[in-house]
Amino acid sequence: DSGVTQTPKHLITATGQRVTLRCSPRSGDLSVYWYQQSLDQGLQFLIQYYNGEERAKGNILERFSAQQFPDLHSELNLSSLELGDSALYFCASSVFELPDTQYFGPGTRLTVL
Amino acid sequence: AQSVAQPEDQVNVAEGNPLTVKCTYSVSGNPYLFWYVQYPNRGLQFLLKYITGDNLVKGSYGFEAEFNKSQTSFHLKKPSALVSDSALYFCAVRDFSSGAGSYQLTFGKGTKLSVIP
Repeated sequence: DSGVTQTPKHLITATGQRVTLRCSPRSGDLSVYWYQQSLDQGLQFLIQYYNGEERAKGNILERFSAQQFPDLHSELNLSSLELGDSALYFCASSVFELPDTQYFGPGTRLTVL
Repeated sequence: AQSVAQPEDQVNVAEGNPLTVKCTYSVSGNPYLFWYVQYPNRGLQFLLKYITGDNLVKGSYGFEAEFNKSQTSFHLKKPSALVSDSALYFCAVRDFSSGAGSYQLTFGKGTKLSVIP
């Protein structure tokens, strides 16, 4: 158990809908990262927050957004969902602002029908 | 730009034999290298990392990795494979030089390790 929690574990929804994925980092970690894992794209970095502020953006679509709250948990919002958004979404956390050892949550499997 | 290559999609090894999972990288400065393992339906677990120092890094579960600067490689090794080592292994890199290259970790596409009883 990494200490990073993610909810829900599974999510099934329809095209065009909006969903919110939630992540709680390990106690004491200030950085939260979001990744998308799919068979064809591999593990893709989406976005990083550090202590409530956005620090880096990767291959994140405009339909996706995220935020980190004062209690350091983070939410990833996915809207206008398309079939191709079906994937595993991972959250990871680390202590520092610069990417160091990251501890991954169990992931949320999103299926868009 | 930084990049990671895992040239083998799958590696098969007999239980008890030594295993090697290959990784090569490209960064403009000094590399900060990681290995992660992913078991089915689980998140990635940290195995080991290299920043500087000894080229042979020891990690969790008996794994080790050898950093080779001249060959820009960071191969993962274990002297004696277990069936329970069967999983997906990811190599990742970041440019350690401040201000150089990408700010984030770049992951390889993963190598599926199958240990055959």
